Amino acid sequence: KAGVTQTPRYLIKTRGQQVTLSCSPISGHRSVSWYQQTPGQGLQFLFEYFSETQRNKGNFPGRFSGRQFSNSRSEMNVSTLELGDSALYLCASSSRSRANTGELFFGEGSRLTVL
Amino acid sequence: QQQVKQSPQSLIVQKGGIPIINCAYENTAFDYFPWYQQFPGKGPALLIAIRPDVSEKKEGRFTISFNKSAKQFSLHIMDSQPGDSATYFCAATNSGGSNYKLTFGKGTLLTVNP
Repeated sequence: KAGVTQTPRYLIKTRGQQVTLSCSPISGHRSVSWYQQTPGQGLQFLFEYFSETQRNKGNFPGRFSGRQFSNSRSEMNVSTLELGDSALYLCASSSRSRANTGELFFGEGSRLTVL
Repeated sequence: QQQVKQSPQSLIVQKGGIPIINCAYENTAFDYFPWYQQFPGKGPALLIAIRPDVSEKKEGRFTISFNKSAKQFSLHIMDSQPGDSATYFCAATNSGGSNYKLTFGKGTLLTVNP
């Protein structure tokens, strides 16, 4: 079974631009979560989607948004990029029955650098 | 507000040593505590998890100890190997809640020297 696939793996943007990151979950997994990982703050929850519905959102500004498609694939978007948005963005999927038990399967992440 | 505090930030041990990583939580609604292991360039991977009704859980060389009254839990790695060198994250969640998220500690960078 293929794991969680994230694209692109690396990208460089400049301040003020926007970026879209993509995530394909494990086949059959309907829950997709996004986390931001930085050296200073560690792993911070961005949002979680299930069946195209956002069920929870973390404490991030409105510049961070996401969506989930009918095939469970998900995208997240960051608009008006700031230097502090430089981070590894991780997508994780889980099957519905385990969505609340913390058994998340993470992708390798998209590393965003904002110059 | 950091709801899961993890220590130490980094840890160096010799091969065969027993590194111990500690975590403390504040939210009494948390009832599921997983540990994740992350190698450089990879995403975190679930290592082992515990619920508060169990005081200890072992999987291979990895053991979680849980102290519900103190709201603390820890990871022990027996007979540590250089291949165990990675960043370890503790986490917590309310499995019956509707927030559908994990709250992570800030991580511990473990180095096991040969």
